[in-house]
Amino acid sequence: AQKITQTQPGMFVQEKEAVTLDCTYDTSDPSYGLFWYKQPSSGEMIFLIYQGSYDQQNATEGRYSLNFQKARKSANLVISASQLGDSAMYFCAMREGVYNFNKFYFGSGTKLNVKP
Amino acid sequence: DTEVTQTPKHLVMGMTNKKSLKCEQHMGHRAMYWYKQKAKKPPELMFVYSYEKLSINESVPSRFSPECPNSSLLNLHLHALQPEDSALYLCASSQPVQGKDSPLHFGNGTRLTVT
Repeated sequence: AQKITQTQPGMFVQEKEAVTLDCTYDTSDPSYGLFWYKQPSSGEMIFLIYQGSYDQQNATEGRYSLNFQKARKSANLVISASQLGDSAMYFCAMREGVYNFNKFYFGSGTKLNVKP
Repeated sequence: DTEVTQTPKHLVMGMTNKKSLKCEQHMGHRAMYWYKQKAKKPPELMFVYSYEKLSINESVPSRFSPECPNSSLLNLHLHALQPEDSALYLCASSQPVQGKDSPLHFGNGTRLTVT
């Protein structure tokens, strides 16, 4: 089974509007971390935001917030007030367990296009 | 600016060549990774070094040979590659601490073309 599923291959959003990128995960380990990365066309992978499985509150970092619904095993990324520079590929990732903390699983990604 | 530095940025090599990719980080991280990424696909894990020891090898062909000379450096030696090995090779580091999370910090990658 896929560890991380991103069901939106591509998304369009108007500049200054908010957008939600979906991510669901599959794990039986009670301890895990969820991460979102941005990859512009230049190739670098930029870490955006992190949510731990035991965190009570949803993570926020500037215009990025993570809508964490543990029972549904979803960790959607919300980008508020989209900017043209947000156009990029976005990957959701998970690291599970405290004994296997080196292995990250990536989803297939969502290509976001911000329209002026 | 990224804190993980990869060289070269671009590399074109023939199938009989031997070349090396280099990665350096000065954040004191004790885990370093090599990922391979094809166009429009997620990164695929190749190798993980933890405290300078190889801890994960994702069944990578022997024509890829990793090396971790010290805690700041990670090399990937390439020999007798195939055209299908052409990809973006990403180096990353993290600080493994049991019970605490650490994101991967990526370099800008090396775009490899095998001719």
